[in-house]
Amino acid sequence: GQQVMQIPQYQHVQEGEDFTTYCNSSTTLSNIQWYKQRPGGHPVFLIQLVKSGEVKKQKRLTFQFGEAKKNSSLHITATQTTDVGTYFCAGRAFGNEKLTFGTGTRLTIIP
Amino acid sequence: DGGITQSPKYLFRKEGQNVTLSCEQNLNHDAMYWYRQDPGQGLRLIYYSQIVNDFQKGDIAEGYSVSREKKESFPLTVTSAQKNPTAFYLCASSSSTGGVYGYTFGSGTRLTVV
Repeated sequence: GQQVMQIPQYQHVQEGEDFTTYCNSSTTLSNIQWYKQRPGGHPVFLIQLVKSGEVKKQKRLTFQFGEAKKNSSLHITATQTTDVGTYFCAGRAFGNEKLTFGTGTRLTIIP
Repeated sequence: DGGITQSPKYLFRKEGQNVTLSCEQNLNHDAMYWYRQDPGQGLRLIYYSQIVNDFQKGDIAEGYSVSREKKESFPLTVTSAQKNPTAFYLCASSSSTGGVYGYTFGSGTRLTVV
């Protein structure tokens, strides 16, 4: 079945440093979504990417969808303490209505 | 305000008992989902429903059951057949297959078997 892997599993950064998490799917995706889950909270939808090579920005967050639509990345510039949490990608394969979540990257910030 | 309500927030169950987790949404979403999250792991799909009176098994449906008698409600029953039920359970909903707004999640139920 479809698998979605994320690396790294954990990332500790100094406040102000940049952070990147990578998402890789075993199958070609029709679209990919990103979610953020704060400690003790629930996942919150951030964005959806649909087109090959698509790049979207939300303030300090930059999301990319690979040309082959099998990988994606989330980059945060100049991290802040409010960025703490686990970031999940979630991909949907063509012809499959199910969304498969990645394993997540847990970000902690060192003040 | 529209959203998804899960109850209870914490639930303790004795081994051998069935328990039902509630999930209600007032977003008028067609699709609803149940996920299980274990510490340090991602979300695994238990069951999903795209329309009233119809639902499909996800990746880890064994030991669970659901019903979808109303559009707003999608309760999950954790049966005694579930070998390791202690986990964080998340309910979500979406319009059709998610669209540009993704899934909306409830605040979750933490189930502990004692």
